[in-house]
Amino acid sequence: DAGVIQSPRHEVTEMGQEVTLRCKPISGHNSLFWYRQTMMRGLELLIYFNNNVPIDDSGMPEDRFSAKMPNASFSTLKIQPSEPRDSAVYFCASSLVGVRYEQYFGPGTRLTVT
Amino acid sequence: SQKIEQNSEALNIQEGKTATLTCNYTNYSPAYLQWYRQDPGRGPVFLLLIRENEKEKRKERLKVTFDTTLKQSLFHITASQPADSATYLCALDEARGNYGQNFVFGPGTRLSVLP
Repeated sequence: DAGVIQSPRHEVTEMGQEVTLRCKPISGHNSLFWYRQTMMRGLELLIYFNNNVPIDDSGMPEDRFSAKMPNASFSTLKIQPSEPRDSAVYFCASSLVGVRYEQYFGPGTRLTVT
Repeated sequence: SQKIEQNSEALNIQEGKTATLTCNYTNYSPAYLQWYRQDPGRGPVFLLLIRENEKEKRKERLKVTFDTTLKQSLFHITASQPADSATYLCALDEARGNYGQNFVFGPGTRLSVLP
């Protein structure tokens, strides 16, 4: 198995631009998670999906952030408009079912907003 | 307020010794607690999961304990090796009633095993 796949690996954009991060979970996993990691705040859960349905999005910082999972093998996290404080590493992870199973993380997308 | 603390930001130990990392939490009642390892520039990697009704879990050189009374988990690496050098994160689930569940990571402890 290729593991969780994320793209792009690095993204540099200017403030105000739209950013779209992509994730392909491990085949057969029913839950998908989006995290953000910064030095100041550590690793934070933004949103997670069970069977393509968003279960808890209370970690999404603002309306500028949105996430979709149109099918079992693809998810996007979109930031529009982006701001410098959104600069972070964004991880996608998947698990068999929910938060009570081990999660497999992707390599992350390093986002820099100038 | 809810908080997860890990004993120290960094821990240095000599090769061959046992490393003990601590995870303390307040105002959570997790049913599960997990430990992950993260290397620089990479995503976290799952190591062990322990349930609230389990006192101890082992996997090769790793051992985890979970004390729900003390609200503490201990993570041990025996016969430590330089390759064990990494940041170790504890994480727990948080039930939100009608709002699903959250998953919260601690700040991590950076372990350095010196040859």
